Amino acid sequence: SAVISQKPSRDICQRGTSLTIQCQVDSQVTMMFWYRQQPGQSLTLIATANQGSEATYESGFVIDKFPISRPNLTFSTLTVSNMSPEDSSIYLCSDRWNYGYTFGSGTRLTVV
Amino acid sequence: DAKTTQPPSMDCAEGRAANLPCNHSTISGNEYVYWYRQIHSQGPQYIIHGLKNNETNEMASLIITEDRKSSTLILPHATLRDTAVYYCIVTTGANNLFFGTGTRLTVIP
Repeated sequence: SAVISQKPSRDICQRGTSLTIQCQVDSQVTMMFWYRQQPGQSLTLIATANQGSEATYESGFVIDKFPISRPNLTFSTLTVSNMSPEDSSIYLCSDRWNYGYTFGSGTRLTVV
Repeated sequence: DAKTTQPPSMDCAEGRAANLPCNHSTISGNEYVYWYRQIHSQGPQYIIHGLKNNETNEMASLIITEDRKSSTLILPHATLRDTAVYYCIVTTGANNLFFGTGTRLTVIP
């Protein structure tokens, strides 16, 4: 399986600002996924990012709030824009390999 | 993807086998059963997956009933480091994983 490096691991941000989270995969993968995990909750899919095409967003998530880039088969970024305290969560990226999925270690975001 | 039902929490004594059940009565013929776990503040970790046969690896065993409507994850000798939330997921493997609420396993010394 691939190894995913995600950064930053945590950050504290002011409301109204934006944060970009990066995920680097050690091998080429077609599909990458971005999840949000709110405090005490399970993981919720934000969007699916395929290289060379626009990301596909799940209901309740929009590109203006969570723009995603996928410039090549080993890298993706998620930006959390115009942040509010409600955006305080753990954000995780994931890839799909053969029949399994690997996850990054997560970014713990606190908005104050 | 088919939905799953898991007990919200379980306790297990250290050194004993932990048996985590999962119901997936609407599973389709092309859907696999995956198990992941999430230790506090970390990303989910792959444990095991199977289609219809029982599977075993260095971490756990997966027992799938003949009708495939339920399965059990077995951790043969639970340690304190196995304390985590365990997610049972059914999926074709072609798209994303849908995470339910999982089972919070607490291994007790």
